Amino acid sequence: GEDVEQSLFLSVREGDSSVINCTYTDSSSTYLYWYKQEPGAGLQLLTYIFSNMDMKQDQRLTVLLNKKDKHLSLRIADTQTGDSAIYFCAEKKVRGRDDKIIFGKGTRLHILP
Amino acid sequence: ETGVTQTPRHLVMGMTNKKSLKCEQHLGHNAMYWYKQSAKKPLELMFVYNFKEQTENNSVPSRFSPECPNSSHLFLHLHTLQPEDSALYLCASSQEPDSREAFFGQGTRLTVV
Repeated sequence: GEDVEQSLFLSVREGDSSVINCTYTDSSSTYLYWYKQEPGAGLQLLTYIFSNMDMKQDQRLTVLLNKKDKHLSLRIADTQTGDSAIYFCAEKKVRGRDDKIIFGKGTRLHILP
Repeated sequence: ETGVTQTPRHLVMGMTNKKSLKCEQHLGHNAMYWYKQSAKKPLELMFVYNFKEQTENNSVPSRFSPECPNSSHLFLHLHTLQPEDSALYLCASSQEPDSREAFFGQGTRLTVV
């Protein structure tokens, strides 16, 4: 199966919370990331969490990490129209001397009025 | 603006053409990357350069030829491409290959006809 899996679509009403989920496979991953890609743009690093943390909060964003289940989630509070984008989960794998970032396929977040 | 600039933003080329994609970073980073983003597939790492030396080639066909003349510039030379090579090509840079964060350009949307 894929290294990093996430659902492809999520629709949320404006003002509600969005929760985007991700599962990964490598227990030796050091960092886990959430990237945002707006239409016509490259990837923008939103937030990241180190593998020995359970939670990280940054303004409207909350990242939860369940290392036992290899599950990562991104919660966006009070979702706004500007949050409409594709959100990529990624893990940093350690392979010998080299680190590699593996991305999921991305979750397209659609905001309903 | 992430400090990573890619040109052109859009490119249409025939299968017999030769073209080049350019990436420039103004961040003083030592590592640069090429990624391919195809529809419905995970982001794929193509090449990694560290201090101008290629350190990774992820089984990329020879019709893609990277060049890194210095730490600030990265090129991807294209020749005899196939329609399935149509994708968004993203350049990224980081301080070192094992840095926590990578910064992405806006990408070049390539269409092969």
